[in-house]
Amino acid sequence: DIVMTQSPDSLAVSLGERATINCKSSQSVLNNANSKNSLAWYQQKPGQPPRLLIYWASTRESGVPDRFSGSGSGTDFTLTISSLQAADVAVYYCQQCYSAPYTFGQGTKLDIK
Amino acid sequence: EVQLVDSGGGLVQPGGSLTISCAASGFSFSSYWMHWVRQAPGKGPVWVSRIDSDGSGTSYADFVKGRFTISRDNARNTLYLQMNSLRAEDTAVYYCVRGAPGFDCWGQGTRVTVSS
Repeated sequence: DIVMTQSPDSLAVSLGERATINCKSSQSVLNNANSKNSLAWYQQKPGQPPRLLIYWASTRESGVPDRFSGSGSGTDFTLTISSLQAADVAVYYCQQCYSAPYTFGQGTKLDIK
Repeated sequence: EVQLVDSGGGLVQPGGSLTISCAASGFSFSSYWMHWVRQAPGKGPVWVSRIDSDGSGTSYADFVKGRFTISRDNARNTLYLQMNSLRAEDTAVYYCVRGAPGFDCWGQGTRVTVSS
């Protein structure tokens, strides 16, 4: 199984500042068939299901604000929120969609400083 | 509007069985792989199972293999998860999820509690 490890486990950032969450996979999730990384990012708020933010490591889902961006390739990935808003307080998860079981990271809790 | 509505959860005794369902609407259900993902209280999401668009292929997490069966009825736009030999550790909210590149649409979840 591919193990997904996020860092940090929790993060507090001031409003308007940049937030960065890292995700590392235990093996490459680069899909050689289409040269895309099968890595997704989700946001989850209390009492709600996860919401897809980013897929293919860097493609923003429709309706997601452009302050959210994803980067990385192979085994190392980053979710960046360029200017933190109060609405961004949530837990963030990465997930590999490369092969079953489609494992998630342990989550990063993001708060306002 | 793309929508997934999960149902059928409840309280079941250890060793018991339960079938949960997911009604899909607003998209071409038969064109998508579908998944079940569960989330125990205070924990992160965990992938459980997936089924191909026509139901011809399935896969399962090791911890449910041999106990759970995923299926679909494309004529009724419905996804199912039959759960047998339930254990306390299967207690969770179960989400039906559409598979695209990324899990792009989630149901609201149905709560399954395994307890005596």
